Amino acid sequence: DARVTQTPRHKVTEMGQEVTMRCQPILGHNTVFWYRQTMMQGLELLAYFRNRAPLDDSGMPKDRFSAEMPDATLATLKIQPSEPRDSAVYFCASGYQAGDHSYEQYFGPGTRLTVT
Amino acid sequence: TQLLEQSPQFLSIQEGENLTVYCNSSSVFSSLQWYRQEPGEGPVLLVTVVTGGEVKKLKRLTFQFGDARKDSSLHITAAQPGDTGLYLCAGARNFNKFYFGSGTKLNVKP
Repeated sequence: DARVTQTPRHKVTEMGQEVTMRCQPILGHNTVFWYRQTMMQGLELLAYFRNRAPLDDSGMPKDRFSAEMPDATLATLKIQPSEPRDSAVYFCASGYQAGDHSYEQYFGPGTRLTVT
Repeated sequence: TQLLEQSPQFLSIQEGENLTVYCNSSSVFSSLQWYRQEPGEGPVLLVTVVTGGEVKKLKRLTFQFGDARKDSSLHITAAQPGDTGLYLCAGARNFNKFYFGSGTKLNVKP
């Protein structure tokens, strides 16, 4: 049963600390997304990759957030320095897209981040 | 401002009732998806619609894509407690990234 996995599931940290979240996409998927979900803003796209190349990170605060895919089995989202307003649930999703066709996104269980 | 507006935001009904959730936009989408999310989990895809006017049925759930591909609806017949959750619509332009609606939180009481 192929799934997207995310670690850690929960993270509590103090303001100013670095936070790294990891995602293992489903094997064979070529597109990876990072989303953030809050009560106020709902589900927002932060960044996404296709074939490990970043396609769009316009939803991400550039000064403190960075997203990478060091290899096809690992995507990372880093916040440095973290701030209380970054508290949210961060989801990774993966899918396979070929050409101009719709595709399915499979979401991981999320990382609940609390910054105090 | 959300690209996709969902209504209602909250819905609490009795088991056996019917309901409709709406997803509206002024933008045209190449495809639109509906997801259900339960507490502590990620959203799970229910359906994808790509053709204007398309209707898809999934057991007691009926999904419709507007003729102009700007809006969609989800109708649930004879709701059950297991239908409780957050329903999200998501639209893609040019089959690329998806924009999510604000969600409809459904509670079905036994």
